Amino acid sequence: QKEVEQDPGPLSVPEGAIVSLNCTYSNSAFQYFMWYRQYSRKGPELLMYTYSSGNKEDGRFTAQVDKSSKYISLFIRDSQPSDSATYLCAIGRATGANNLFFGTGTRLTVIP
Amino acid sequence: DSGVTQTPKHLITATGQRVTLRCSPRSGDLSVYWYQQSLDQGLQFLIQYYNGEERAKGNILERFSAQQFPDLHSELNLSSLELGDSALYFCASSVSGGESDTQYFGPGTRLTVL
Repeated sequence: QKEVEQDPGPLSVPEGAIVSLNCTYSNSAFQYFMWYRQYSRKGPELLMYTYSSGNKEDGRFTAQVDKSSKYISLFIRDSQPSDSATYLCAIGRATGANNLFFGTGTRLTVIP
Repeated sequence: DSGVTQTPKHLITATGQRVTLRCSPRSGDLSVYWYQQSLDQGLQFLIQYYNGEERAKGNILERFSAQQFPDLHSELNLSSLELGDSALYFCASSVSGGESDTQYFGPGTRLTVL
């Protein structure tokens, strides 16, 4: 079983739509959760970072963590064509080596 | 621009060959990470260095090795290349390599093994 599972999509939405991206994970020892955005032919860039259950908001982006269900989500409000990218979820352990387990990414296209 | 540089951008080589990928971290960052990204496996952590010393190892094959030099740049060496090694290789850097450090990724090196 993979550490992190992510629906690969692709996901295509009209501009202005609310987007929901999701990941599930298997190990309850994981304590911190991240979302990365990766534009085509670029490296991933950190979008959101949280290590607690609940919601964290940053502009049009909201990261949600449900540790009891081992489920994390990223919501994008008022989606824009510039949001078109691949979104990777990543999780890590609270202790030990600093490495991350990444989902395979969901490719999002926002249509003008 | 993350401040992390990687060379070369593209590399095409044949099976059985050996290549070296180079990474320069952001100014002031002491820790370097290497990742492999392929379509079927996604992004996978290979290895981490901190100030010249290996700190953590992930799914790195024995045919692969890395090092971080005194000037903090890092090189990833891939030998006895196989078709399945074709992938994007990313380097990331962070300030101290701590658990809560943000990692900044470079643009990647695209390796094609023919």
